[in-house]
Amino acid sequence: AQSVSQHNHHVILSEAASLELGCNYSYGGTVNLFWYVQYPGQHLQLLLKYFSGDPLVKGIKGFEAEFIKSKFSFNLRKPSVQWSDTAEYFCAVNPLSGGYNKLIFGAGTRLAVHP
Amino acid sequence: EAGVTQFPSHSVIEKGQTVTLRCDPISGHDNLYWYRRVMGKEIKFLLHFVKESKQDESGMPNNRFLAERTGGTYSTLKVQPAELEDSGVYFCASSRGSSERIQYFGAGTRLSVL
Repeated sequence: AQSVSQHNHHVILSEAASLELGCNYSYGGTVNLFWYVQYPGQHLQLLLKYFSGDPLVKGIKGFEAEFIKSKFSFNLRKPSVQWSDTAEYFCAVNPLSGGYNKLIFGAGTRLAVHP
Repeated sequence: EAGVTQFPSHSVIEKGQTVTLRCDPISGHDNLYWYRRVMGKEIKFLLHFVKESKQDESGMPNNRFLAERTGGTYSTLKVQPAELEDSGVYFCASSRGSSERIQYFGAGTRLSVL
């Protein structure tokens, strides 16, 4: 079955620390990849996406992610986190087969950034 | 432009009761999706509407769940009768057309079945 694995469920960092959140998926075909973020009390927001082309994609708020096809990975990075980055982060995959458009999510990573 | 709105934001019901969740997609979005997150686990797909038609309902857990999208605008998700394991956060998302791969999410409805 298709699945998405996020390696860390909880991450605690101090401000200005670097962040990398792991995401691996199990699907051999072509995929679209997403990172969504949910800030406390808010809706899920798109952070960045990969459809094709340059495997290094940049999103909002200084986040970036790198698609490594050979490793089935789409890790999220930020060189210097801020207190306002405290949120839950979700990796999601859209397998491009069968004409369906459902997203398969990982379990999420809760990030807490301390000032 | 208004985003995806869901109502209610929180619902507390007793086992055996009926609950109806509502989702209003972004205006003009033909695609509407329902997802569910149970107890901090992954967000799981329930079903996908294209206008008023069910494109994919492979994620619906059982026949106690009924989703409708009459007229191709807002959608409702009814749970009848509710069971304890139905507790969780129900998310709705919408996207524009068949080639639009970005889904925009609502804030979710937190359902607590006691």
